[in-house]
Amino acid sequence: EAAVTQSPRNKVTVTGGNVTLSCRQTNSHNYMYWYRQDTGHGLRLIHYSYGAGNLQIGDVPDGYKATRTTQEDFFLLLELASPSQTSLYFCASSGGGSNSDYTFGSGTRLLVI
Amino acid sequence: GQGVEQPDNLMSVEGTFARVNCTYSTSGFNGLSWYQQREGHAPVFLSYVVLDGLKDSGHFSTFLSRSNGYSYLLLTELQIKDSASYLCAVSPYQGGRALIFGTGTTVSVSP
Repeated sequence: EAAVTQSPRNKVTVTGGNVTLSCRQTNSHNYMYWYRQDTGHGLRLIHYSYGAGNLQIGDVPDGYKATRTTQEDFFLLLELASPSQTSLYFCASSGGGSNSDYTFGSGTRLLVI
Repeated sequence: GQGVEQPDNLMSVEGTFARVNCTYSTSGFNGLSWYQQREGHAPVFLSYVVLDGLKDSGHFSTFLSRSNGYSYLLLTELQIKDSASYLCAVSPYQGGRALIFGTGTTVSVSP
């Protein structure tokens, strides 16, 4: 079954720590996205990609890097984590057509202490 | 700037209906989607509209007016389990294929 799988499900790190969030999709989609979700802000786009090796900057990119290593795999990197990055992170994929095929992963809850 | 606006909360009664409003202002328009989201879980796709008018999907219906930058999600025959957050998302022409999300409306259905 086509899906978007995120790991880890939960993560705790210290301020200044290094964190990598992983996302894999088996939908054969071209586009992949990283969002963060916070109370009062909704889902905000961090980075996205339309293919392996491609990276596009989203609306809230500061403090985040991302890398699309293959069609299936998209990683979000926090190299110096800060408490303001405590959030619920979602990965999504889409084929780039009508967006009715936008598919989300189950989310990663990150706590930076 | 671009934005999608939704009311924060909506309360209704089991067996009746709830209308969740969404207004948007974007540089372009390539469709509007509605999602249901439960606390701590991923958004679940409900509906996608790109043409004006009412799209009846049974328990969920959606309306779109592109000239007014307005949409609503209509939930009929409400059940307690319909209590959730409902997200409106717009796909503009620019920015690749990324969706711009509203903050969501929390619908609470009481007995």
